[in-house]
Amino acid sequence: GGIITQTPKFLIGQEGQKLTLKCQQNFNHDTMYWYRQDSGKGLRLIYYSITENDLQKGDLSEGYDASREKKSSFSLTVTSAQKNEMAVFLCASSIGQNYAEQFFGPGTRLTVL
Amino acid sequence: GDSVTQTEGLVTLTEGLPVMLNCTYQTIYSNPFLFWYVQHLNESPRLLLKSFTDNKRTEHQGFHATLHKSSSSFHLQKSSAQLSDSALYYCALSDDTNAYKVIFGKGTHLHVLP
Repeated sequence: GGIITQTPKFLIGQEGQKLTLKCQQNFNHDTMYWYRQDSGKGLRLIYYSITENDLQKGDLSEGYDASREKKSSFSLTVTSAQKNEMAVFLCASSIGQNYAEQFFGPGTRLTVL
Repeated sequence: GDSVTQTEGLVTLTEGLPVMLNCTYQTIYSNPFLFWYVQHLNESPRLLLKSFTDNKRTEHQGFHATLHKSSSSFHLQKSSAQLSDSALYYCALSDDTNAYKVIFGKGTHLHVLP
């Protein structure tokens, strides 16, 4: 078994601020993901990384940057927080093969004042 | 691009009644992989079941689904709902041309009443 850790659990920012969310996994999985979860909009893919040093844009990448520092860690940066934005950001990982199950972290809840 | 459409919003039913949550998908590729994830309140999504075989029923924890490529569907069913089935259910799609990119539907809230 393994675990995914996301920090911080809650993040409060100001409009225009650059904010960074971090994710660590000890599954030794190759592939990692960042999703944004909004009520009524489902899980939308922001960035994913197939393996260390790889970075792929998802459908919601505008306004975000990502970095795969090493195999076990994947960071997401909100480049300019939008006023009144509220969302949960979920990190996930998988073994990176066809048909593979994704394992999700507990999430970071973002509030922008 | 690929897309997933689910029963929208909230489905409310009484304990003991059958559950059916609809999922249809669009893809130009002939080998889709379909998944159902479940997210209970204050928890993270976790895999419930998955399939890539046409017309074969897959089951897990009392739920079942069959991938029908002819109708691009992967509906989630259970014969008798339990209170503990109340959760948010996501249908998701990938394919063998890019198995890493998984597209999720908007989710269906299931609320089971006593």
